[in-house]
This record gives sequence, C-alpha cells and structure tokens, in this order.
Amino acid sequence: GAVVSQHPSWVICKSGTSVKIECRSLDFQATTMFWYRQFPKQSLMLMATSNEGSKATYEQGVEKDKFLINHASLTLSTLTVTSAHPEDSSFYICSARGGTGELFFGEGSRLTVL
Amino acid sequence: AQSVTQLGSHVSVSEGALVLLRCNYSSSVPPYLFWYVQYPNQGLQLLLKYTSAATLVKGINGFEAEFKKSETSFHLTKPSAHMSDAAEYFCAVSPNQAGTALIFGKGTTLSVSS
Repeated sequence: GAVVSQHPSWVICKSGTSVKIECRSLDFQATTMFWYRQFPKQSLMLMATSNEGSKATYEQGVEKDKFLINHASLTLSTLTVTSAHPEDSSFYICSARGGTGELFFGEGSRLTVL
Repeated sequence: AQSVTQLGSHVSVSEGALVLLRCNYSSSVPPYLFWYVQYPNQGLQLLLKYTSAATLVKGINGFEAEFKKSETSFHLTKPSAHMSDAAEYFCAVSPNQAGTALIFGKGTTLSVSS
C-alpha cells in the first residue's frame, strides 16, 4: 500500500528554538496533506490542511504563525514549530490523500520541548 | 457538523473473548465511517471503512463493523481477541469519500489479558 513517511520520528529541542517536521508521500503524489496533533491518551486534532502550491488552511484556534506549513511539492509537506515552548510538546501526525481519495497516515513525530 | 463518540475509553478482554468497541456518529449527511488502530508511538493503520456499499464491513486482522443507521452506530467487533490486538482504536467520520480530513473520536484503549 501507499507509504507516508515522517521525519524525524523523535525530536528534542530547547525552548525558543524552531523545529521542522517533514511528511513525504513515498510512492504517490499528494496534492493535499493534513497535519494532526495528538496529546497523550487523547484523540487526533486536525491542525491544518496543506495544499500543494497554496497556503495552508488552519483550523480555528491554531496559530498559523506558530505552526508554519509548507507544501512545496506533490510529495512533501513540512510543519515548522516556531519558537517552541514546552506546551508544544506533542505527537504530530500527517496524512496524505492518494489518487483514489484514501488517506494514508505517517508514523508520527514526537516533539519534546525542554 | 459531524462528530463521533466512542463509548468507553478503555476496554479489557481476555484472549479469545469477543471484542466490542462502540462508536456512534452524528452527521447531517450520509457519513463515511472509518476505524483505525494505533500502536504505541506509531501512526494510524486503517482497519476498515464504510462507504455505503454494504452495511457489514470486513476489515483486516479479523475485525468487522456494522453500520446501523437507525442507531447511528458503527461498532467494531472481533470474535476472538488476540494479544496482538492490544492497541488504541479510533473511530472517524468524513462527509465524503474524497479524502476530506477525518474527524476522530477520542479513542478506546483495548487491553487483552492472557
């Protein structure tokens, strides 16, 4: 089946620094990717919809200047957490829409901000 | 607006016992419903999906779910639990099949004891 890869799987950073997480569709082109955030023992909350070549659409309450999303190619979307703080520590998961409309999920990236 | 409610945040069964994970949905349009499984520190794996073709949907790993419009339910079942089934399970809803971002329930943790 289709594969979506996230990198890095784990990242630890100091408060105030920025962290970039990549989401790649390895064997298909994805015009649309979604970014989710998951707190421990909780569900996935949609953060934003990333469309190739255009600005991302953010969900209500998500700071677009805090969570920068770039979808520069049909196989890559990036999420940059700017000026990270401990409360940004979370599990971030991306999903990509395949040609048939089915969604494929990445393995997730765990961010810990010290 | 669409939503899903998963009844029971934690379900415990013995190996070989029936697994029943409950999901009720709310939707103003015919919904597309999904069940995903998540293992620790991993992304989501699609178990099965309902797309209006058949009310009883069979998925991977012996799981199945039945769409009951009258009860607005889409419960997940497996006749005989295996230790490897221990994981987090998410029910999700979408207004269409075309890869719109999914709305997830809060998840149910399944524990399987020997």
